Amino acid sequence: KAGVTQTPRYLIKTRGQQVTLSCSPISGHRSVSWYQQTPGQGLQFLFEYFSETQRNKGNFPGRFSGRQFSNSRSEMNVSTLELGDSALYLCASSLKGANAGNTIYFGEGSWLTVV
Amino acid sequence: ELKVEQNPLFLSMQEGKNYTIYCNYSTTSDRLYWYRQDPGKSLESLFVLLSNGAVKQEGRLMASLDTKARLSTLHITAAVHDLSATYFCAVGAGYALNFGKGTSLLVTP
Repeated sequence: KAGVTQTPRYLIKTRGQQVTLSCSPISGHRSVSWYQQTPGQGLQFLFEYFSETQRNKGNFPGRFSGRQFSNSRSEMNVSTLELGDSALYLCASSLKGANAGNTIYFGEGSWLTVV
Repeated sequence: ELKVEQNPLFLSMQEGKNYTIYCNYSTTSDRLYWYRQDPGKSLESLFVLLSNGAVKQEGRLMASLDTKARLSTLHITAAVHDLSATYFCAVGAGYALNFGKGTSLLVTP
């Protein structure tokens, strides 16, 4: 059974650019959530989607956005990149989401460096 | 705002020894997750604890949850080098997980 797949795995962007990260959840999983991991702030929740609906959003500026498609695949976008956006972005999938107490599986992550 | 505190943040222990990692959280929740992260890698799910008094064991690791005390523990028995990693606890709050800062564990011969 394939795990959570994230693309691209590594990318370097320049300040002011935008970036789109993609996530394919485990087959059958309808909840996809995104987290940012940095050495200073640790793991922080960005947003969660279920059946194409955003159910929750973390405390991040509006430059961070996401969406989920009918096949449960998800993308997140960061516009007007800042140096502080450099981080590991992790996608997680589960059957119904954290509220249901499901096991939540994480992908390998996308390493974003902003220069 | 839900706060999750892990301690210790760094732990160096000898092979064969036992130790416990503590995870305290600030508001009521009955969903507690433990993850392992190796350097440069993603998060591996270890345990999901969903009720007061829940206890789960896998190999040398055992996790427990006390929702009244808002405390979870991850106990390591007879540590081996392969357990060296960073361990995170995370508390479920709505649709999100709130993570602790992680405990970096180094097991030495």
